Amino acid sequence: KQEVTQIPAALSVPEGENLVLNCSFTDSAIYNLQWFRQDPGKGLTSLLLIQSSQREQTSGRLNASLDKSSGRSTLYIAASQPGDSATYLCAVLDDKLIFGTGTRLQVFP
Amino acid sequence: NAGVTQTPKFRVLKTGQSMTLLCAQDMNHEYMYWYRQDPGMGLRLIHYSVGEGTTAKGEVPDGYNVSRLKKQNFLLGLESAAPSQTSVYFCASRPLVTHEQFFGPGTRLTVL
Repeated sequence: KQEVTQIPAALSVPEGENLVLNCSFTDSAIYNLQWFRQDPGKGLTSLLLIQSSQREQTSGRLNASLDKSSGRSTLYIAASQPGDSATYLCAVLDDKLIFGTGTRLQVFP
Repeated sequence: NAGVTQTPKFRVLKTGQSMTLLCAQDMNHEYMYWYRQDPGMGLRLIHYSVGEGTTAKGEVPDGYNVSRLKKQNFLLGLESAAPSQTSVYFCASRPLVTHEQFFGPGTRLTVL
């Protein structure tokens, strides 16, 4: 059974720092991996989707990498801002989308 | 283009009452999903649909029923609500070709 783990569960950093969020999964037979952002009391916003054949995807200050063989993905956020404060979720697609429990990020001024 | 919308946003039920949650999408997506989100559990798939008139069970389907009579709508029903169904419910949709899912804003349900 596919399991997705995100470490750390919570992270607090000063504005301007570059940071890395981690996601690991137990079964490498995935179609893709998707990173989401969730603001308190809100829905999920898709940030990046990496197909299984890809190694990374970039969008603005965000860069996500995928290493299927080791069952890992990282989300790199450059020059963090207070507006980046949210919970970040990763999810892998095998026959269904399986979510991690998220990393709650706080960026303080 | 409203994307994925959910009705209602909040609801409080008493044990044993029934209700229906409505999800609507205007992106002509084939696939639609219902998830629940609980603290420490992440999002878990309840039911999903791969097209109009079809539904399938997800990870936690017990106590819920669904219907997809129109392509743009996916309904989630609770026939006899239980306190264990207190949760935030999210609907999502995606097109046939890509696997990127788009989520609605959620419905916060409390069962007393």
